[in-house]
Amino acid sequence: QKEVEQNSGPLSVPEGAIASLNCTYSDRVSQSFFWYRQYSGKSPELIMSIYSNGDKEDGRFTAQLNKASQYVSLLIRDSQPSDSATYLCAVNRDDKIIFGKGTRLHILP
Amino acid sequence: DTEVTQTPKHLVMGMTNKKSLKCEQHMGHRAMYWYKQKAKKPPELMFVYSYEKLSINESVPSRFSPECPNSSLLNLHLHALQPEDSALYLCASSQGWGPISSGNTIYFGEGSWLTVV
Repeated sequence: QKEVEQNSGPLSVPEGAIASLNCTYSDRVSQSFFWYRQYSGKSPELIMSIYSNGDKEDGRFTAQLNKASQYVSLLIRDSQPSDSATYLCAVNRDDKIIFGKGTRLHILP
Repeated sequence: DTEVTQTPKHLVMGMTNKKSLKCEQHMGHRAMYWYKQKAKKPPELMFVYSYEKLSINESVPSRFSPECPNSSLLNLHLHALQPEDSALYLCASSQGWGPISSGNTIYFGEGSWLTVV
């Protein structure tokens, strides 16, 4: 089992709809969870960090963490074409941050 | 804009050249990282420096040599690279380091695109 798993996509979502990105992780003792956005040819940009079970909201973004199910998700409300990018889920394993392969999101105008 | 600055943004080097990538952060962070990213792949950790000491070397070939002159600067010296080393090299920093640290959020620089010919 891969340490951090994401569906590679592409995930196509109509403009204005909710985009839902999912990630599972294998290490039960992981404590830190991150979502990064990466535009083509650019470096990853931190979108959200979450450490506790439940939801964390920041503007149009909501991160959801369920440690029992080893599952973390990112919801993007009112999706915009500028949200089209690859979204990387990252989870700590011991002293390292491990990245998933990313989900390509495409917002349809 | 990122507060982690990398130079150069683009570098083309021959397999016999010696070059360096440079990184500087102005956030007072005590951990700095080098990652390598190939196209359509996630970033792969190469090195971690914590309090200016090398804490993790992910079995990186010796043709890559990191250096941390002080808490704000991180260099990656390159020598005798191979074409397969062509990639985006990302520098990053975090306030702290380790899973317990609440300041372990990693912030990336804009990256240095390296092409080995």
